[in-house]
Amino acid sequence: QLQLQESGPGLVKPLETLSLTCTVSGGSISSSSYYWGWIRQPPGKGLEYIGSIHYSGSADYNPSLRSRVTISVDTSKNQFSLKLSSVTAADTAVYYCARQGSSFYTPHDYWGQGTLVTVSS
Amino acid sequence: DIVMTQSPDSLAVSLGERATINCKSSRSVSYSSNNKNYLAWYQQKAGQPPKLLIYWASTRESGVPDRFSGSGSGTDFTLTISSLQAEDVAVYYCQQYYSTPHTFGQGTKLEIK
Repeated sequence: QLQLQESGPGLVKPLETLSLTCTVSGGSISSSSYYWGWIRQPPGKGLEYIGSIHYSGSADYNPSLRSRVTISVDTSKNQFSLKLSSVTAADTAVYYCARQGSSFYTPHDYWGQGTLVTVSS
Repeated sequence: DIVMTQSPDSLAVSLGERATINCKSSRSVSYSSNNKNYLAWYQQKAGQPPKLLIYWASTRESGVPDRFSGSGSGTDFTLTISSLQAEDVAVYYCQQYYSTPHTFGQGTKLEIK
């Protein structure tokens, strides 16, 4: 059974860089059949797509965050990562990693449990 | 970006009754070359991640009870729960994956009347 698990600091200071890792188990991140993405949800609010990546390195980012976001993949560790720079309180959210199908244009079928990241000094 | 608008924002339905949630996109999410609608529905229970229920507007994800059904095409879509069960209390989101950034509706909170 595929499982995804987010990890990283739960508290980040304003203007610093948020860094999260998603560890995939029960399947290979190197499968050409899947893309891997990040979605976030501010407390009590809706869902926002951050971006996605294929193990080949092809990535897609939400234009609203593109200047601050980098998503990367480490096939040797079966992980993919999110970096969000220059964070503010508006970046406080539960961050989810998720799997997509065989292109950027597929839904998210497996999700991690999510990790709350608070931006505060 | 494609804007997704759900209605209603909240809904209270009696156990065993039908629940209907609507989703409208600001432009078509239907791709004419393959006749597919790039629309998904998710269920999010309190404290849990979203769960994929329906994709391609009407295809039920494996393991999802058949009381959940999706319909619609182009810009107008509907999620129907034919006979509400207590475990269906959740927030439901539609999502378009026709273009990036994928965008979600604001959510519909479903409760028991």
